[in-house]
Amino acid sequence: GNSVTQMEGPVTLSEEAFLTINCTYTATGYPSLFWYVQYPGEGLQLLLKATKADDKGSNKGFEATYRKETTSFHLEKGSVQVSDSAVYFCALGDSGGGADGLTFGKGTHLIIQP
Amino acid sequence: GAVVSQHPSRVICKSGTSVKIECRSLDFQATTMFWYRQFPKQSLMLMATSNEGSKATYEQGVEKDKFLINHASLTLSTLTVTSAHPEDSSFYICSAINRGLSRTEAFFGQGTRLTVV
Repeated sequence: GNSVTQMEGPVTLSEEAFLTINCTYTATGYPSLFWYVQYPGEGLQLLLKATKADDKGSNKGFEATYRKETTSFHLEKGSVQVSDSAVYFCALGDSGGGADGLTFGKGTHLIIQP
Repeated sequence: GAVVSQHPSRVICKSGTSVKIECRSLDFQATTMFWYRQFPKQSLMLMATSNEGSKATYEQGVEKDKFLINHASLTLSTLTVTSAHPEDSSFYICSAINRGLSRTEAFFGQGTRLTVV
């Protein structure tokens, strides 16, 4: 079956540091890939997505590239801010690019210190 | 983005009682809603998929008689945990999609922390 593995947290960084949160997946076919973010007290929000190999999703300075050869979708940001502190979830959807019945990783708690 | 509201955000109930959790799409019609459960330090696990006006489809290992899902309208789905036990204590979260608009974005509620004592 499908599965998503992402790095365990919490990850603590200083402001303006470079961020990488690793995410690898196991799936049949060509799934769509997502990163969701959950700020304290709020629901999950879509951060970015990629629906086919070599696509790069980007939003709010975050980027992730769909690498089929390494089955990865690592999240990166060049300079993090305190406001980026949240829990980040990598997720896998179906091959049609849909967000139906997503398979999630465990989430990575990111803490940015001033 | 679209707004999905989940209520209550926290609930504590006694063992053996039933608890209802509501998931509402406030500004769009949700043709399909999903219910997830998250245990501490674990992934969100899909429990069931519900399409408006039809019976929910449950994932393997999820008891349909224990977790009753109703999706009677395009803006409301409910999850009722029947005869709750302490092992049902978890974080429950819903998401919603309008298949007619876009299949690639699901909108999530804030989640409900259920504690069964």
